[in-house]
Amino acid sequence: KAGVTQTPRYLIKTRGQQVTLSCSPISGHRSVSWYQQTPGQGLQFLFEYFSETQRNKGNFPGRFSGRQFSNSRSEMNVSTLELGDSALYLCASSLVTQTGFPYEQYFGPGTRLTVT
Amino acid sequence: SQQGEEDPQALSIQEGENATMNCSYKTSINNLQWYRQNSGRGLVHLILIRSNEREKHSGRLRVTLDTSKKSSSLLITASRAADTASYFCATDANGANNLFFGTGTRLTVIP
Repeated sequence: KAGVTQTPRYLIKTRGQQVTLSCSPISGHRSVSWYQQTPGQGLQFLFEYFSETQRNKGNFPGRFSGRQFSNSRSEMNVSTLELGDSALYLCASSLVTQTGFPYEQYFGPGTRLTVT
Repeated sequence: SQQGEEDPQALSIQEGENATMNCSYKTSINNLQWYRQNSGRGLVHLILIRSNEREKHSGRLRVTLDTSKKSSSLLITASRAADTASYFCATDANGANNLFFGTGTRLTVIP
């Protein structure tokens, strides 16, 4: 099976702009999670989508949003970019039952976002 | 914060030696997972241990879990230069499918 893919791999934006990142999960995986990784804060959970519904959300401002499509592909959007949004954004997919017992997550290579 | 702590933050060993990393967490869990990350890239899942398990093996990896102490350890035996990476433990949040990651241990294996 093909792994999790993320596009684009690298992105440079300026403050105030918005950005959309894309994630294609492993075929058959219906849960997609997003994480932000920075040197200062480490790996932090952003949100999780399952069957096109946001099921869990981390502690991030409303500028961070996401969605999932019927084919399980997911996008996340960051509006009004700030310098502190510079990070590696990782997407992960997993098998999980609708009642939610977690399985191992499979990560994509990430999108490196630089905000100048 | 539910985020765990890992110890040591950095570890440097010779090829062939064993490497042990420890993880402590704060709340009750359903499972604990270990991941590896090579220099700024995606994470690779290594092993998952459920809360009712005490030890698990996978190849050169051995993971232990002590829920009474809220701690876990990852042992890599007979290390290789290719094991050089950052290692993270991750816990779930009462069955929710999001992970809380530890701060990571940076392992360097010297050939």
